This record gives sequence, C-alpha cells and structure tokens, in this order.
Amino acid sequence: DVKVTQSSRYLVKRTGEKVFLECVQDMDHENMFWYRQDPGLGLRLIYFSYDVKMKEKGDIPEGYSVSREKKERFSLILESASTNQTSMYLCASSLMSASSNQPQHFGDGTRLSIL
Amino acid sequence: RKEVEQDPGPFNVPEGATVAFNCTYSNSASQSFFWYRQDCRKEPKLLMSVYSSGNEDGRFTAQLNRASQYISLLIRDSKLSDSATYLCVVNEEDNNDMRFGAGTRLTVKP
Repeated sequence: DVKVTQSSRYLVKRTGEKVFLECVQDMDHENMFWYRQDPGLGLRLIYFSYDVKMKEKGDIPEGYSVSREKKERFSLILESASTNQTSMYLCASSLMSASSNQPQHFGDGTRLSIL
Repeated sequence: RKEVEQDPGPFNVPEGATVAFNCTYSNSASQSFFWYRQDCRKEPKLLMSVYSSGNEDGRFTAQLNRASQYISLLIRDSKLSDSATYLCVVNEEDNNDMRFGAGTRLTVKP
C-alpha cells in the first residue's frame, strides 16, 4: 500500500516566517505534487516534480518554492508566509506510466495557519 | 469557465437511496478520469478510475461520455458511511497535472 507522509498535521506560523512543509513517499514514485485546498475552490496545484531536481509550476506557484533533492522527498517552502496562505496543504505522488496517467495518492494533509 | 465542474450539493438522501453525480470537463483532450472520495478533514482517496467502457465496483458505477464531456458516479443502496465529498478528477494524456473538481458533498441519513 502506498504511503505518503506529511511532516505535520497542524502548523501555526507567523506572517513573514519561512515555512517548510515536508512530504515523503515510500513507493519509489517518480511524480510528486503539492496542492492547497480551500473551501469552494477545490484542490489547486502549486508545484509538481517528475524527477529528482526537476520542478514545474502549477496553477498558483506565487509565494511558494519547492525542493526535490531525493526521489522520495518533496518539500514545499513558503518564503515569507502571509495570511492568505492559511490553507490545507496536500502532498501527492504517482507512478510515471508511458501508457496512461496513474492515480495520485495523497498524504494526510497539513492544516497551516498563518497569524 | 472552470475546467472541471461539479454540482457542489449538498445531496441529502435517505439510506438505501440511489444517487448520481455528474462532472463536466472542458478539455476534449482529457484521457484519464477518476473519482476520489474525501471525508471531512481527511485527504482525498481514490474511489475508482473511470474507463471508456464504464466500470462497476460493488454499489458504485462510473460512466464516461466523451461526446458530451462528462463523467458520472452512481451509488446504489446508499449507506451512512457513504457520506463524504466526491471529487471528480480529469487529466490529459502525458500530462502530469490533474484537474480536480471542487467536489460534491453527499450526506446519507438514517
């Protein structure tokens, strides 16, 4: 069974802080993703990565950066946290397939509050 | 126009009822389709993939209509435990990012 682990379930930070959200998967998946989920807006893609040291911007990358130094780990960084980044953050991973897109498997989510 | 649209609900149905959700998508090149289930304050979990020929898994049936660009999810004999938000997901072939609908909320009542 795929296991995607996010470092924190709940996190409270202050405006202007640099915030790190960590995600680890144990199934040797090539693809990893960071989303945020807000009421009425569904899941919105922030960044994704299809290989080590590779990253691609999603729909809302502003104010975020990512790091993928190892295949199993994908980090989301809020360079200078702002109150509008208060949200639920979800990490996901999937297998790369030449024939069809594989479903994504999600971590438990991190509820981040910026005060 | 949103790329993936779902009726947000809520759908409130009695136990044992049959309920159906539709989801429309705007990109005709979309190739992969999924239904996810998300419980309150939990992560989305894959419910089922949606195949061109339609597929069934127990009380759940998923259908794809490419001509009209929608997918559907049918739940028969609803259980209390089916109460959740159901997310529709579509993806283009060879494209790593998936498009999620905002979800349809279902509440099954005794």
